[in-house]
This record gives sequence, C-alpha cells and structure tokens, in this order.
Amino acid sequence: QSALTQPASVSGSPRQSITISCTGTNSDIGKYNLVSWYQQLPGKAPQVIIYETSKRPSRISNRFSGSKSGTMASLTISGLQAEDEAHYYCCSYAGSSKWIFGGGTNLTVL
Amino acid sequence: QLVQSGAEVKKSGESLKVSCQGSGYSFTSYWIAWVRQMPGKGLEWMGIIHPGDSDTRYSPSFQGQVTFSVDMSINTAYLRWSSLRASDTAMYYCVRIIGGPETPPNWFDPWGQGTQVTVSS
Repeated sequence: QSALTQPASVSGSPRQSITISCTGTNSDIGKYNLVSWYQQLPGKAPQVIIYETSKRPSRISNRFSGSKSGTMASLTISGLQAEDEAHYYCCSYAGSSKWIFGGGTNLTVL
Repeated sequence: QLVQSGAEVKKSGESLKVSCQGSGYSFTSYWIAWVRQMPGKGLEWMGIIHPGDSDTRYSPSFQGQVTFSVDMSINTAYLRWSSLRASDTAMYYCVRIIGGPETPPNWFDPWGQGTQVTVSS
C-alpha cells in the first residue's frame, strides 16, 4: 500500500494560516474517521497534535485543527509562529490492524 | 513514557535486538507499534504487538525481515533482526497505540525517544 500523499513543503509568514493536505483512498482516509497528525521537530521524536481526524490533545495549542472531506484530510495551523517550523505527518488507520503514514511535509516559517 | 535502548553500530549479517521499556501506565493493556525512519525520510509503520498476549501484526513491507517480542515481567518490547543489512540503517521508534472510549486503538502516543541503528557493509 502506497504512502498517503502530502505536499513535500509548505511555507508561511508569522501570524498567517497554512493548510497541509493529506490524500488517501477509499480504503483508508475515505473509510475511517481515524486520521492523526504528528509534528516532528528537528532531531526529536514525533508527537501527536491531532487524532481521530479533528480532536486535539489538551496539551496542544488550539491554533492546530484538523478536518476531512472524502479521501482528503487537512491540517490547518493558524497564527503561524517560528516554533511551528517542523515536519508534519498524517497517518490513517487502514483496517485489519494496519496503518499508513503520509510522506511528510516540511513547514518553513518565513 | 517509553524509553528505548541506545544507539547501535553493527556490521551486515550481524543480529540485533533493540528494546522499548514502558512505565507510568498498564503496559500490558495497550498495543505497541514500531515505526522506521530512514535518513532524511518519512515515517513507515512496521507493525504492532500486544504486550498482554504477544499478538503480532506486521506490515507486508517488514514481514519476515524483523521480529517483535515482549517480556511482560519487565514491561519491555523488543525489535529484533537476525541478519542486518545496510538498508536497515535508520531511526526506529516504539510508540503506544491509543483509542477513545468508543473507537479502537488508532493514534500513537507517547513515542519513545528513538534508537539509531547504523549498519556498515
């Protein structure tokens, strides 16, 4: 099964909003509302920022939000800050105890 | 939290077992996933193991290449290679899988700090 499709890079200026897309198929994103997003800061382990498509752990800023339409999930970061510069990965449950990650998106804050 | 064993430098053909010790929660109640990150690349799901009964599921890409195991007595999961290859050079993460009150296990939290494995040919 191929990786979910994400843009390789996105950029934005401080205080702007950006959206990262994650495209799958009717076997994963389109079938389950079980998309999660992970932020990986340079040299660090990933951490969850969105789970079950649109839910946010209490420790995560409300500037991060998630949504889904059909076979595409999206992560939106509002009020962009320099500390948001990182790699972002989407992940979907794909049935039968299998998961699939996106290829990752490198966010640059200009 | 999940704490992984330290970095390893090995030669092709050697065997290796890396560990992942859980603490602060009921280790045998949650699935553990293993995730590979090759140098400069993205995350790849390798498979999962349930510490309570060692039920194991492998990604087709890793089936037959690695082996997962668990030692419940010390709350530790293991990832093992019987014969390493240079292409196994990567960072490996263990991570707990969590679900909601009405959903199956589906997201990954927390992550171990990662174990860097370097294999020379």
